[in-house]
Amino acid sequence: QVQLQESGPGLVKPSQTLSLTCTVSGGSISSGNYYWSWIRQHPGKGLEWIGYIYYSGNTYYNPSLKSRLTISVDTSKNQFSLKLNSVTAADTAVYYCARVSFGSGSYHFEYWGRGTLVTVSS
Amino acid sequence: QSALTQPASVSGSPGQSITISCTGTSSDIGNYDYVSWYQQYPGKAPKLLIYEVSNRPSGLSNRFSGSKSGNTASLTISGLQAEDEADYYCSSYTSGSAPVVFGGGTKVTVL
Repeated sequence: QVQLQESGPGLVKPSQTLSLTCTVSGGSISSGNYYWSWIRQHPGKGLEWIGYIYYSGNTYYNPSLKSRLTISVDTSKNQFSLKLNSVTAADTAVYYCARVSFGSGSYHFEYWGRGTLVTVSS
Repeated sequence: QSALTQPASVSGSPGQSITISCTGTSSDIGNYDYVSWYQQYPGKAPKLLIYEVSNRPSGLSNRFSGSKSGNTASLTISGLQAEDEADYYCSSYTSGSAPVVFGGGTKVTVL
């Protein structure tokens, strides 16, 4: 069973960089036909797709965040990471990592991490 | 890029069936069979319920079923139970500026 676990600071100051890591267990991040994704959920709101990465390093970003966003992968550690710079209070949310199954008529968020709350405040 | 449209809330009595709609456009639901549904309890991560319109993950109750007609997808919960009280989100692949879009979520209340 694949498991994902987010880690990183729960409090970030405005204008600084939000950095999170997702550690994958129970499967290799280098397996084909999976994207490794970040999704966030503002307090009391719906889900917002942030972006995802393929193990080769190809990335796909939400256009609304693209100018501030970097997603990277470390296959040796079976991890992928999120960096969002110049954060404001509007970036306060629960951040989830997830595995996206795609290909052969498939496209869905199959496994999710438990999520981590990141608060942007001075 | 607009989110998919879901009703804010749906309610039903135990044992009844309810249906949650998810309306998109010809750029997403109408053109792809990549509609998925997720169940989320308060303070918990979303869980995959339905994928590719009508497929259930292994082990998931057959009380949950999905369908699609035109630009609208639907999730039906039959034999409603107290444990079904949660938020439900739809999602679709899209040819828009981002490859995936979510619905705004529907809160299901069991009366």
